[in-house]
Amino acid sequence: GESVGLHLPTLSVQEGDNSIINCAYSNSASDYFIWYKQESGKGPQFIIDIRSNMDKRQGQRVTVLLNKTVKHLSLQIAATQPGDSAVYFCAAPRDSGNTPLVFGKGTRLSVIA
Amino acid sequence: KAGVTQTPRYLIKTRGQQVTLSCSPISGHRSVSWYQQTPGQGLQFLFEYFSETQRNKGNFPGRFSGRQFSNSRSEMNVSTLELGDSALYLCASRQGQTEAFFGQGTRLTVV
Repeated sequence: GESVGLHLPTLSVQEGDNSIINCAYSNSASDYFIWYKQESGKGPQFIIDIRSNMDKRQGQRVTVLLNKTVKHLSLQIAATQPGDSAVYFCAAPRDSGNTPLVFGKGTRLSVIA
Repeated sequence: KAGVTQTPRYLIKTRGQQVTLSCSPISGHRSVSWYQQTPGQGLQFLFEYFSETQRNKGNFPGRFSGRQFSNSRSEMNVSTLELGDSALYLCASRQGQTEAFFGQGTRLTVV
């Protein structure tokens, strides 16, 4: 089955700078990936997803990049704001078919004002 | 459309007791998954229910069980509570192979 892992447990960035959070996955057959944001005291919140037929997908101030060759994806946050401070998780289906999502351990993003 | 609702938000139980947590999914979502979140282990998958049947299961002992009702609402039960069961229990609902939507979670503390 799939396993996902984040590269860094913590990341500190200056307000206004861009943030990059990285994630690696193990199953080359994985075809769907999701990024979640979890603020203190709340459940994870969907940010953006990407399917394996794409290399890049953009949302509002966020971009996800997928590199299938090295089984790596990243979340880029433009012009990071204090409200972006949270724990970020990457997730992917455990296997093909109707399987649950498995999550990385999370990266805690701290924004320095 | 209302989001995923979990009750209660907080619980304190004593070792050896049992506990039942409840989850109401987003209307129309038939898949409900449960996760345990702890600082050391992150989000660990417990089980998934779909149309009242357990469709997937994680690697948790039999003390952890669940069920789903015909209206897709789900409950999970933990019997013979241990200190290590203290965690945030999250419920998520999905519609097909898409993103999962999470509730706020139930914070369980076992003393």
